Amino acid sequence: KAGVTQTPRYLIKTRGQQVTLSCSPISGHRSVSWYQQTPGQGLQFLFEYFSETQRNKGNFPGRFSGRQFSNSRSEMNVSTLELGDSALYLCASSLGSGGETQYFGPGTRLLVL
Amino acid sequence: GESVGLHLPTLSVQEGDNSIINCAYSNSASDYFIWYKQESGKGPQFIIDIRSNMDKRQGQRVTVLLNKTVKHLSLQIAATQPGDSAVYFCAENIRPSGNTPLVFGKGTRLSVIA
Repeated sequence: KAGVTQTPRYLIKTRGQQVTLSCSPISGHRSVSWYQQTPGQGLQFLFEYFSETQRNKGNFPGRFSGRQFSNSRSEMNVSTLELGDSALYLCASSLGSGGETQYFGPGTRLLVL
Repeated sequence: GESVGLHLPTLSVQEGDNSIINCAYSNSASDYFIWYKQESGKGPQFIIDIRSNMDKRQGQRVTVLLNKTVKHLSLQIAATQPGDSAVYFCAENIRPSGNTPLVFGKGTRLSVIA
């Protein structure tokens, strides 16, 4: 069974631009969670989608948004990029029933200049 | 701050020795705990998990111990190998009537000395 895939793997943007990242979960998994990882803050939860609905949301500004499609694939968007948005963005998928293991993708490394 | 934290940010271990990575959690309602390993340039990789109705669980060369009395979790790696060098994260999950996201600790970097 294929693992979680994320595209693109690397991205360079400039301040003020927007970016869209994509995540394909493990087949059969209905939940996709997004995390931001930085050296200073560690892994921080952005949001979780289940059955095309946002089920949980972390403490990030409205510039960070996401969505999930009927095939469980998910995208996250960051608008008006800031230098501090430079990070590794990870998505993780799980079955979605709660209290279960999440499996991570390789991440998208975003650099904002 | 985060409810899950790690006692040691870095740990250096001689190859062949056992490693113990510790984690404290503060939410007594947490009932599911996971250890992840993250190598440079990769996403976190699931190692082992444990539910709150257990106090010990063993995998291949790894053992997770859960002490609910003091809200402490540890990961033991037997016969540590160079390939074990990575950052290790503990994560906790509460399973109430709904769903809550995993809460991660900041990680411990394990360096294996050959």
